[in-house]
Amino acid sequence: AQSVTQLDSQVPVFEEAPVELRCNYSSSVSVYLFWYVQYPNQGLQLLLKYLSGSTLVKGINGFEAEFNKSQTSFHLRKPSVHISDTAEYFCAVSDPNSGAGSYQLTFGKGTKLSVIP
Amino acid sequence: ETGVTQTPRHLVMGMTNKKSLKCEQHLGHNAMYWYKQSAKKPLELMFVYNFKEQTENNSVPSRFSPECPNSSHLFLHLHTLQPEDSALYLCASSPLQGANTEAFFGQGTRLTVV
Repeated sequence: AQSVTQLDSQVPVFEEAPVELRCNYSSSVSVYLFWYVQYPNQGLQLLLKYLSGSTLVKGINGFEAEFNKSQTSFHLRKPSVHISDTAEYFCAVSDPNSGAGSYQLTFGKGTKLSVIP
Repeated sequence: ETGVTQTPRHLVMGMTNKKSLKCEQHLGHNAMYWYKQSAKKPLELMFVYNFKEQTENNSVPSRFSPECPNSSHLFLHLHTLQPEDSALYLCASSPLQGANTEAFFGQGTRLTVV
């Protein structure tokens, strides 16, 4: 079974500073990778996804992530954060080899990003 | 607004009560999901429906009973719950049930069992 590790449960960062949220997954075979964001009292919203192709993926709100197969990582980055980026961020993985009759999107425990004015 | 609407947003119920959570999507999606989000735990997939047919049940206790009358609506019927069932219950939908499809989430129902 897949597993996803988000190494930091909380990340405080000053406004306009860069941030990296770390994500590692367990599988050594091909995977699909996702980052979701959850604002307070809201559901999850997709930030970006990696399915194939370029290892650098750009998403909404200025976020990007880099897929590193050898390190089984998919870290999320933003060069300059804003107060409005304060939220919880979830990394998730799914198996492209799962059949049409099965579905499993495995989430990490989440990282709470707090942007300090 | 993601196009997935959940009601109610908040629910407090006693352990002997029976209640239902509702999820509705008008995105034309064919797959719908229930997730449980508890504090300090990863999101847990509970049920998956694909074209109104249940295709996944991740060992969920029978006190949770899903219903999918059509591709646009999904219910979660609750009865004789326990305090540890208190959590945020999230509904999601996707065009198809597939590993590469993005899931669209509702805002969730915050359930408190007393």
